[in-house]
Amino acid sequence: ETGVTQTPRHLVMGMTNKKSLKCEQHLGHNAMYWYKQSAKKPLELMFVYSLEERVENNSVPSRFSPECPNSSHLFLHLHTLQPEDSALYLCASSQQVGTGDEKLFFGSGTQLSVL
Amino acid sequence: DQQVKQNSPSLSVQEGRISILNCDYTNSMFDYFLWYKKYPAEGPTFLISISSIKDKNEDGRFTVFLNKSAKHLSLHIVPSQPGDSAVYFCAATDRGSTLGRLYFGRGTQLTVWP
Repeated sequence: ETGVTQTPRHLVMGMTNKKSLKCEQHLGHNAMYWYKQSAKKPLELMFVYSLEERVENNSVPSRFSPECPNSSHLFLHLHTLQPEDSALYLCASSQQVGTGDEKLFFGSGTQLSVL
Repeated sequence: DQQVKQNSPSLSVQEGRISILNCDYTNSMFDYFLWYKKYPAEGPTFLISISSIKDKNEDGRFTVFLNKSAKHLSLHIVPSQPGDSAVYFCAATDRGSTLGRLYFGRGTQLTVWP
């Protein structure tokens, strides 16, 4: 496989459920990101990991918990979400944060619906 | 406060003609700008970028123009093809500040009809 792979592609969960989104990049990049795309809103940065260390947490509620066990894998753990959290969650990677070449490579996203 | 704005949610163009997508930004510290293209059920893919030291960058049918004084950039697609129909996102960053933070616009849906 090449590029950035996200699973699952679609997820429906109740407000009391716990689920995890998974992202894997096969590009040899050192930085990984979670973005959220809500309807009619711009892409919002949630978290940035550089060399497996979280370098940014963009005021995201604690019901979203990221995990980056190595430079190729990124998770987003979800618990007690709200219906307004329904959105497309996009994972991305880049060669290295701060190189001046901030081209992101995105996965296909997980379309999340919270009931 | 949205720092990157795409004020046209949609654009419809005939095949073979020019498509012009516009983007405005408010942060004068932005020094690198990118365009991404997104098809349904896929993630955005990088299209073209421009550094603030340039005012034009060309790649095949795609050209990006940057007007720093007006804080405006545009993407020109010539000639437009039906396969170009997608959502186009403008993004900007200040490479001297918080690492890896791209600010995105809301996107413009381009439809190219035969």
